[in-house]
Amino acid sequence: NAGVTQTPKFQVLKTGQSMTLQCAQDMNHEYMSWYRQDPGMGLRLIHYSVGAGITDQGEVPNGYNVSRSTTEDFPLRLLSAAPSQTSVYFCASSYGQEGYEQYFGPGTRLTVT
Amino acid sequence: TQLLEQSPQFLSIQEGENLTVYCNSSSVFSSLQWYRQEPGEGPVLLVTVVTGGEVKKLKRLTFQFGDARKDSSLHITAAQPGDTGLYLCAGAKTDSWGKLQFGAGTQVVVTP
Repeated sequence: NAGVTQTPKFQVLKTGQSMTLQCAQDMNHEYMSWYRQDPGMGLRLIHYSVGAGITDQGEVPNGYNVSRSTTEDFPLRLLSAAPSQTSVYFCASSYGQEGYEQYFGPGTRLTVT
Repeated sequence: TQLLEQSPQFLSIQEGENLTVYCNSSSVFSSLQWYRQEPGEGPVLLVTVVTGGEVKKLKRLTFQFGDARKDSSLHITAAQPGDTGLYLCAGAKTDSWGKLQFGAGTQVVVTP
């Protein structure tokens, strides 16, 4: 099993550009989520999904969209990139919700100039 | 404002020394997890604690969940260079639909 995979590993965008961060898992997990990690702030939840077709906002959802058409995939879309979105983005999946282990992908380092 | 406050932010010790990392909150959590993250990688789960007062041991690592389920600690005995990493605590509140709240992390550096 590959676990949780993320692409790309690195990305540089100009302000105003849009892009999609890809996330896929092969563990048949129902629960998937996106986090951003900034120095001194830990991981903050952007959006999450409890199953195909169901998504909800996390702590910092503004400027990001998600969709969940299949159990395996959970892409994160940046609509119009801003320098404040410079961060490391992690996708995670788990069997269930509360108390279950979150399996994290290797991350995408995004720089917006 | 972080819901979970971790202290210290940074810890540098020599191999063989002991260390303790704290994770505190004013909120009650139904479960609390500790993760370790190495540079360029995603966090990896170390332990989940769910019962107030619970103590779990993982080799040289001891985890404790406070009686009131508002705080937790991670103690490493005889630290080794392989323990170097960013330690993150994460709490889930009842009916939170799995939304974890992460602390800012404690960077631990163990030098030979």
